[in-house]
Amino acid sequence: DAGVIQSPRHEVTEMGQEVTLRCKPISGHDYLFWYRQTMMRGLELLIYFNNNVPIDDSGMPEDRFSAKMPNASFSTLKIQPSEPRDSAVYFCASVQGRYGYTFGSGTRLTVV
Amino acid sequence: AQSVTQPDIHITVSEGASLELRCNYSYGATPYLFWYVQSPGQGLQLLLKYFSGDTLVQGIKGFEAEFKRSQSSFNLRKPSVHWSDAAEYFCAVGATGTASKLTFGTGTRLQVTL
Repeated sequence: DAGVIQSPRHEVTEMGQEVTLRCKPISGHDYLFWYRQTMMRGLELLIYFNNNVPIDDSGMPEDRFSAKMPNASFSTLKIQPSEPRDSAVYFCASVQGRYGYTFGSGTRLTVV
Repeated sequence: AQSVTQPDIHITVSEGASLELRCNYSYGATPYLFWYVQSPGQGLQLLLKYFSGDTLVQGIKGFEAEFKRSQSSFNLRKPSVHWSDAAEYFCAVGATGTASKLTFGTGTRLQVTL
């Protein structure tokens, strides 16, 4: 089992550019969560999916953020256009059953 | 809505000393409680969890935590800290509903001196 795979591990981009973060969850897990981690705000829930359907996106900070889960094995988080304040570590977590979380290693995003 | 407070941002202990990391939660019913550890550049790893039953919970790496309803606390303890325990520790609370949505505290960074 390769666990939850996130790509890229690091991303440096210029302000205004589009950024796409990717997540491959563990097969058979029925929930997928996207979290953002910053020094100032800690870990914040952005959005989560159940069986590929977005359930709660109330944590998405602005319309510049969007997330999709086209199938059970792939999810993306897109920021367009990116801003320096979006710099953070973005985690994807795949969940099985009741709170059976497995976190990915995260994508460290730097917007300059 | 649930919330978690970790009052200590940073703690330093000597190797071999005991450790207690504090966590207080706010939730209207009996919560699900968790402790996670994060090493630099890594994701979060579950140390232990409390759903119900015995209020003293044993976890991995020699950690334990005690649920105290009267104090709304779920403090993490370890009798003897090892240098490899240096990391960031997060307490989290989950609602007793169908969605496994976690709310995290702001974390406590543990430094271990030799």
